[in-house]
Amino acid sequence: SAVISQKPSRDICQRGTSLTIQCQVDSQVTMMFWYRQQPGQSLTLIATANQGSEATYESGFVIDKFPISRPNLTFSTLTVSNMSPEDSSIYLCSVEGLLITDTQYFGPGTRLTVL
Amino acid sequence: GDSVTQMEGPVTLSEEAFLTINCTYTATGYPSLFWYVQYPGEGLQLLLKATKADDKGSNKGFEATYRKETTSFHLEKGSVQVSDSAVYFCAQLNLNAGGTSYGKLTFGQGTILTVHP
Repeated sequence: SAVISQKPSRDICQRGTSLTIQCQVDSQVTMMFWYRQQPGQSLTLIATANQGSEATYESGFVIDKFPISRPNLTFSTLTVSNMSPEDSSIYLCSVEGLLITDTQYFGPGTRLTVL
Repeated sequence: GDSVTQMEGPVTLSEEAFLTINCTYTATGYPSLFWYVQYPGEGLQLLLKATKADDKGSNKGFEATYRKETTSFHLEKGSVQVSDSAVYFCAQLNLNAGGTSYGKLTFGQGTILTVHP
């Protein structure tokens, strides 16, 4: 079965710094997504990343804070910039259509703590 | 707008008990409906899916039926195990009239299930 991996799995960062999270898929996919799961909360979509085009951000999320790259069909990065404690969350990437069309599959997540 | 509402948790059951987790949705389009499960310290795993009214999704003993008349997709299992302890998320993916997705999954708030031996 296809595999989605994320790096790092967890990190503890100081406020004001930035962290780049990587998402790697072992097969080519068109649509990749980045979600945030705040402590004890549900998942919220940050942005959609399609290869060859600018990421599309959801309301409340901006490119300056969460820049995204999508250089090819198997890889994407999300950067959390100028972090504050409010950014402490689990960040998950997902891809659509790995095994079943119109279905999203999730990576294991990156647990970020900002001090 | 689109939304998903799950029953309040947490839910605590004894092993072999019957499980129901309620989920209702509001949608402007033609959603596919999902249940995802998140085991402690892990990411989300797809549990089951249904794409149209009266479809039943099933996996690992869990079932959910897409009820358009009640806009519901309740999760059930006849006999839970300790290993089913996890957080369960109901979600919808809105499809346009042509059947391709808009890509945005809308999640419910999650229901924590704890099963005791």
